[in-house]
Amino acid sequence: GEDVEQSLFLSVREGDSSVINCTYTDSSSTYLYWYKQEPGAGLQLLTYIFSNMDMKQDQRLTVLLNKKDKHLSLRIADTQTGDSAIYFCAATNSGYSTLTFGKGTMLLVSP
Amino acid sequence: GAGVSQTPSNKVTEKGKYVELRCDPISGHTALYWYRQSLGQGPEFLIYFQGTGAADDSGLPNDRFFAVRPEGSVSTLKIQRTERGDSAMYLCASSLTAGPNTEAFFGQGTRLTVV
Repeated sequence: GEDVEQSLFLSVREGDSSVINCTYTDSSSTYLYWYKQEPGAGLQLLTYIFSNMDMKQDQRLTVLLNKKDKHLSLRIADTQTGDSAIYFCAATNSGYSTLTFGKGTMLLVSP
Repeated sequence: GAGVSQTPSNKVTEKGKYVELRCDPISGHTALYWYRQSLGQGPEFLIYFQGTGAADDSGLPNDRFFAVRPEGSVSTLKIQRTERGDSAMYLCASSLTAGPNTEAFFGQGTRLTVV
């Protein structure tokens, strides 16, 4: 089955850019997602990208997809302390109905 | 309500007991998903409903776990003979329809602790 891997921790200063990386194993994954989880809160969908795209930009968020290497990244520009959270990368299964998540990357933004 | 509601928010039970976890999806959402998130891990898929029927239950770990959605709205996840290893956050999500480009909205979860 699908395996999704992420680095576990990232620390940045406020105002810097953050880049969170993710790799996946199933080349047939067609949609890839980034979710944000704040303490005590549910998962919030940030953005997603279809596998025939290599980049998607949404305000401060930029998603890059290298399908050949099965590598996905999330760049957050001008990172704020409110961006501190756990970020999960996820991929769809072949039936397009369920998600396989990575273990999450904890982003800590210091003033 | 406006979002996915899960009750209770916290449940402590003794090993061997039976528990039920409830999920109220967003009104009109036909697809409903259950995930389990252990400490320090990402959510893991358990079961997915399209309407009243379980379209995919391949993530249920064993036959102690069962879920229903009798009227195509509220769903209940049932765990029999609970074990300490069942302790986790149980997340429910719903989406308007099934499919990769329809957003799944997650509830705040039920934290289950088996002592």
